[in-house]
Amino acid sequence: AQSVTQLDSHVSVSEGTPVLLRCNYSSSYSPSLFWYVQHPNKGLQLLLKYTSAATLVKGINGFEAEFKKSETSFHLTKPSAHMSDAAEYFCVVRGGSQGNLIFGKGTKLSVKP
Amino acid sequence: EPEVTQTPSHQVTQMGQEVILRCVPISNHLYFYWYRQILGQKVEFLVSFYNNEISEKSEIFDDQFSVERPDGSNFTLKIRSTKLEDSAMYFCASRPRGLAGDTQYFGPGTRLTVL
Repeated sequence: AQSVTQLDSHVSVSEGTPVLLRCNYSSSYSPSLFWYVQHPNKGLQLLLKYTSAATLVKGINGFEAEFKKSETSFHLTKPSAHMSDAAEYFCVVRGGSQGNLIFGKGTKLSVKP
Repeated sequence: EPEVTQTPSHQVTQMGQEVILRCVPISNHLYFYWYRQILGQKVEFLVSFYNNEISEKSEIFDDQFSVERPDGSNFTLKIRSTKLEDSAMYFCASRPRGLAGDTQYFGPGTRLTVL
């Protein structure tokens, strides 16, 4: 069965410093992995996705994630945080054959001025 | 850019009442989904819909729930007799077929409050 574990429920960084949001996955086959972001009172927006092509995936707003099969990880990074990055971030794996998504519990990112 | 829309943004209802949550998926998409997020918990899959029928559903999606695509644009989730524990944010999502088919596009959600 597919699953994801987000290792931190809350991460706080200062503006201009790097961001690291950690995610480990469990999958019985080559997974499709995603990061979604949810800003307050907004819907879920796709940041990036991995679907067995390049292991380093670039997304919107300067975010990227690296798929590491040996570590079963798909951590999300950004070199320099911006105030507008404050939001909740979800690591997601594709579940069944019909494409249903399985979400992690989310990591709330706070950015201090 | 096309987007998924949902109405209403907030629905308040009394326990035992029926509610219908509405979604308009992106027009050329073929797969449709409902998810929910109880406050403080994970986003959970409810049901997927393709070719005018349910293609997959979770254990949460019991006989109290139904989905329908009544016309070419709307996709609805009905809860027949709401319970307190149905209070949650409900998200609709859609995706196309083909190589882009892994990406689901989500609506802004409907917050359902059952009193």
